[in-house]
Order: sequence, then C-alpha cells, then structure tokens
Amino acid sequence: ETGVTQSPTHLIKTRGQQVTLRCSSQSGHNTVSWYQQALGQGPQFIFQYYREEENGRGNFPPRFSGLQFPNYSSELNVNALELDDSALYLCASSSLAGATGANVLTFGAGSRLTVL
Amino acid sequence: AQTVTQSQPEMSVQEAETVTLSCTYDTSESDYYLFWYKQPPSRQMILVIRQEAYKQQNATENRFSVNFQKAAKSFSLKISDSQLGDAAMYFCAYRSTVTGANSKLTFGKGITLSVRP
Repeated sequence: ETGVTQSPTHLIKTRGQQVTLRCSSQSGHNTVSWYQQALGQGPQFIFQYYREEENGRGNFPPRFSGLQFPNYSSELNVNALELDDSALYLCASSSLAGATGANVLTFGAGSRLTVL
Repeated sequence: AQTVTQSQPEMSVQEAETVTLSCTYDTSESDYYLFWYKQPPSRQMILVIRQEAYKQQNATENRFSVNFQKAAKSFSLKISDSQLGDAAMYFCAYRSTVTGANSKLTFGKGITLSVRP
C-alpha cells in the first residue's frame, strides 16, 4: 500500500503571495488533516477534512483553507503569506473520522515553505 | 485546553544502553490517548507507541515501553538497547476522545535524541 505523499517538498514564496500544498492520502484512508510545524517546535493542528468537508479546525486564521477531493486527496491553501508562515507543513491521513478509537495517523514527509 | 510539555530539549545515550524521555500533560478529561512519535531527518512522523488512558497496563512495542502515570499526568518513553537508528526527534502527543476532530493531536515541543556509537 502506498503511504502519504506531499508536494512540493520545498518552496519559496514572498510575503503577500498565495501557496497551494498538495497531499495524497494513504490507500484506504478517508480523512486528511494538516499540521504546521515551525522550526524547533511540535506540529500544530490546522484542520481536518472528512467527506470533502472541514470538520475540525485549530487556532488558525481563515486565510488558511483547504479542500478534499472525492479520491480523498487534499490541498492546503494559504493566502496573504506572512513571514511567520515559514514552516514545515505536514499532511496526515487516517480512516476513522468521528470514531472514538485510537485513530492512528499516517504522516507524509511534509512541504517546507519559506516566506521571504 | 490540553497541553503537552517536554522539558528536556536534548538527550544523549550510548548505543545499547537505555534512555528515558519525559513527558507531562495537562487535561481535565478522564479518557484520552497518548502517543510517542519519532521524526527522523527525513521529516516523516512515525508512530512509536500509543497508550489508552483507560488501560492501566503500560504499552510495550519491542524495545519501546512507556511509564504511564495517570494521576501524575506523566507519560515517559523508555528505549532499551538503543540503536543508531533511534537518533531522531521524539514528540509526545495527546488526543482527546471527545472531540469530533479525531485527527487533532496536541504535540509537545519535542526532544532531540542522539545515540553515541
């Protein structure tokens, strides 16, 4: 089975620009979540998508938005980039949205965004 | 809101020796899950071990085991017979059982583990 793949692996943007990051979920998984990991910090939950709808969000402003497609792949869009948006963006997929079990996440290797 | 604290930024262990990584957390919930994740230089988060709060027995996965002290809200990871491949950042994480967003993990800041040959 294939794991979680993310693209691009690295990218550089300037302040005020917009960026789209992509994620292909693991086969059999129907839920995708996104995390932001600043340098030297632990990942922070941005949001989760299930059945093409956002059904959980962390403390991030509306300029962070996402999409989930019928094949369960996902995009993270960030508008009006700020310097503090420089981070590693991790995508994770899982198969038990809404369940109370120990929903194990499978992470991708991330997209490293640098905002100049 | 839940918080996870990893107060040791770095640790070092001799190959084949045992090392314990510390983690404390704060929550008002009685049922939840705790995890240890490993992040090597390849950046991909890898699940090491998980613990369900309602289970008193400490989880074990081969050379990895935890010491879960629910009353003290402590969740430490013990790595036995350390190997060079264990060198990585280790993150402690918490997941609520009551939230609808069951992909929401709350992570600590992580600890960098180095293994000396």
